[in-house]
Amino acid sequence: DGGITQSPKYLFRKEGQNVTLSCEQNLNHDAMYWYRQDPGQGLRLIYYSQIVNDFQKGDIAEGYSVSREKKESFPLTVTSAQKNPTAFYLCASSQGWLRTDTQYFGPGTRLTVL
Amino acid sequence: DAKTTQPTSMDCAEGRAANLPCNHSTISGNEYVYWYRQIHSQGPQYIIHGLKNNETNEMASLIITEDRKSSTLILPHATLRDTAVYYCIVRGGNEKLTFGTGTRLTIIP
Repeated sequence: DGGITQSPKYLFRKEGQNVTLSCEQNLNHDAMYWYRQDPGQGLRLIYYSQIVNDFQKGDIAEGYSVSREKKESFPLTVTSAQKNPTAFYLCASSQGWLRTDTQYFGPGTRLTVL
Repeated sequence: DAKTTQPTSMDCAEGRAANLPCNHSTISGNEYVYWYRQIHSQGPQYIIHGLKNNETNEMASLIITEDRKSSTLILPHATLRDTAVYYCIVRGGNEKLTFGTGTRLTIIP
C-alpha cells in the first residue's frame, strides 16, 4: 500500500512539553510538507523540504522544528515556544516542487495541549 | 492574499450533479487551478487540476473558462460521501499551495 502515514491520530501533551509528530511516505517523493489547520480555517504551511537534508521555513515556522535525514521521513517537533500548539497537523508529499507536482496528504494528527 | 473566491457553502441533492464555482480573476498564464476536498477531520484529498483545457478523471470534471478567470468543479452524481469542504487553489511556479476557507458542500438525501 503506497501512501503517507502520520502517527498518532490523536496526541495529548501538557503545556511546556516538546512533542514530535511522525510523517512517513513510501511514494518515493522528493518533497515533503507540514501544515497546520485551526478550526474553520484553511491550511497554513509550517515547513517544507524539497530534498533530503534540506528544509525551509514556511509561513508559520516559529515554535516548530523539523529534520529530513531520510527521504521517506519528515518529523515535526512542536516545541514549548509555540504559543498555541493545539491544532490539526497535516503532512504532505509531492514528487517535486513544480506547479504540476500534486501534493498528497496524510490523515493528520490532532494535537491537544492541556 | 487569496487568489481565489468561492461561495462559503452549497447544498446539492443526492444523485444530482454538484457544480462548485471558483473565481480566480487575477490568474496568470503559468498558474494551474487545483481542487482538493477535505472530509471532516481527515487530510485533504486531491481531486483534479488543470491549466486551460477542461479535464476529467474518475472523480470529477474541471471546466475552465476561456479567459481562465473562473472555473467549475463538477461532481457528476453526488453521493452522501461527497459532503466535504472543497478548496480551489491557484498555483504557479515554485509557489506553495495556499488553502483558503473553501466551499462547504452538503449533499442532501
